Amino acid sequence: SYELTQPPSVSVSPGQTASITCSGDKLGNKYACWYQQKPGQSPVLVIYQDNKRPSGIPERFSGSNSGNTATLTISGTQAMDEADYYCQAWDSSTSVVFGGGTKLTVL
Amino acid sequence: QITLKESGPTLVKPTQTLTLTCTFSGFSLSTSGVGVGWIRQPPGKALEWLTLIYWDDDKRYSPSLKSRLTITKDTSKNQVVLTMTNMDPVDTATYYCAHFLTAAGCTWFDYWGQGTLVTVSS
Repeated sequence: SYELTQPPSVSVSPGQTASITCSGDKLGNKYACWYQQKPGQSPVLVIYQDNKRPSGIPERFSGSNSGNTATLTISGTQAMDEADYYCQAWDSSTSVVFGGGTKLTVL
Repeated sequence: QITLKESGPTLVKPTQTLTLTCTFSGFSLSTSGVGVGWIRQPPGKALEWLTLIYWDDDKRYSPSLKSRLTITKDTSKNQVVLTMTNMDPVDTATYYCAHFLTAAGCTWFDYWGQGTLVTVSS
């Protein structure tokens, strides 16, 4: 079955750029999307189709996907961005796959 | 405005069958490219996709749980029902339903319900 791997945690200073990776076999041949989840809340879609932002998502959130790695980039990270982030992709055999999640800490 | 809400028991006993209902508004499940999925999250753990149903009644299941899951829809009532058999304490989790879109080989969940915590215990 298809698997997506994320680092358990990433730390960033306020105002700096945070990069969260998601790795999977030939992931660049699929589409990746990203969700933000704050404690006690439902996930929120922040990126879909590799690099598209839903309405209402700040421009500081961007995405890319190439080779075996998709990356969520948060530019000018703010304290409010501290959350868990999950990548997700579609695989023909497994259908929907989520990564294990990355806890973003804004120090 | 799209909204979804999960409903069902908060406590089930081991070996019992869980039935959860997702009641939604703001979209029709007969619209091409649209569907509803179920995702769960054990306390303190990651999201796990369970199943989804498309506007045309096509269905997909998680390979690891396929034998225990059934998803159905009632378009007239704007509801999607998840059934999971033979519940075990490891199935304790918050269960979410979510609206999804699909296009060009991509599927993404753009609206989520608030989730419902289901505890499996005798």
